[in-house]
Amino acid sequence: DIQMTQSPSTLSASVGDRVTITCRASQSISYWLAWYQQKPGKAPKFLIYKASTLESGVPSRFGGSGFGTEFTLTISGLQPDDFATYYCQHYNSYPLTFGGGTKVEIK
Amino acid sequence: QVQLVESGGGVVQPGRSLRLSCAASGFSFSSNGMHWVRQAPGKGLEWVAVISYDGSNKYYADSVKGRFTISRDNSKNTLYLQMNSLRAEDTALYYCAASALGYCSSINCYRFDYWGQGALVTVSS
Repeated sequence: DIQMTQSPSTLSASVGDRVTITCRASQSISYWLAWYQQKPGKAPKFLIYKASTLESGVPSRFGGSGFGTEFTLTISGLQPDDFATYYCQHYNSYPLTFGGGTKVEIK
Repeated sequence: QVQLVESGGGVVQPGRSLRLSCAASGFSFSSNGMHWVRQAPGKGLEWVAVISYDGSNKYYADSVKGRFTISRDNSKNTLYLQMNSLRAEDTALYYCAASALGYCSSINCYRFDYWGQGALVTVSS
């Protein structure tokens, strides 16, 4: 099974900050990586696929990059609506697996 | 507008069974792969199972293999999860999710574009 490791697990930031979340795969997954945002009590929201392609309607302050085993999600200019937990997920092989999540909280 | 509405959750004793349903609307259900993803209280996301758009391919997480069965009825736009031999560790919010790429059974199509609001399953004596 491919293990997905996110870091940090918690991130404290202020509105306007640039934040970066890292996701590492235990083996190469090419660019078959997606990112999701989840707010308390809500279902996850699909943000990014193929490591760097923004889903329609997702603000351009969100960006993804990476290939192989190391990936990043960057939020440029954090907005109040962005405080949430973020998950990466690979879709390279079975089983599909998620990272453990990164909670972005207000500093 | 895409809608996925789960139902069938509840409290069940260990060893018993439960069936979840997910009613889909607002997209071409019969052309999309469908998944179940769960989230234990206060924990992260865990993929449970996938079924291809035509029902011909199914895959499961090891944690549920042999106990859970995913199925779909394209005439009713409904996804199911039959859960047998339930354990305490199956307690979670169960989401149904859809992959938006139509007529694709490749795993590389299986991201989770659309999500329902979840059905809570509690396994407790």
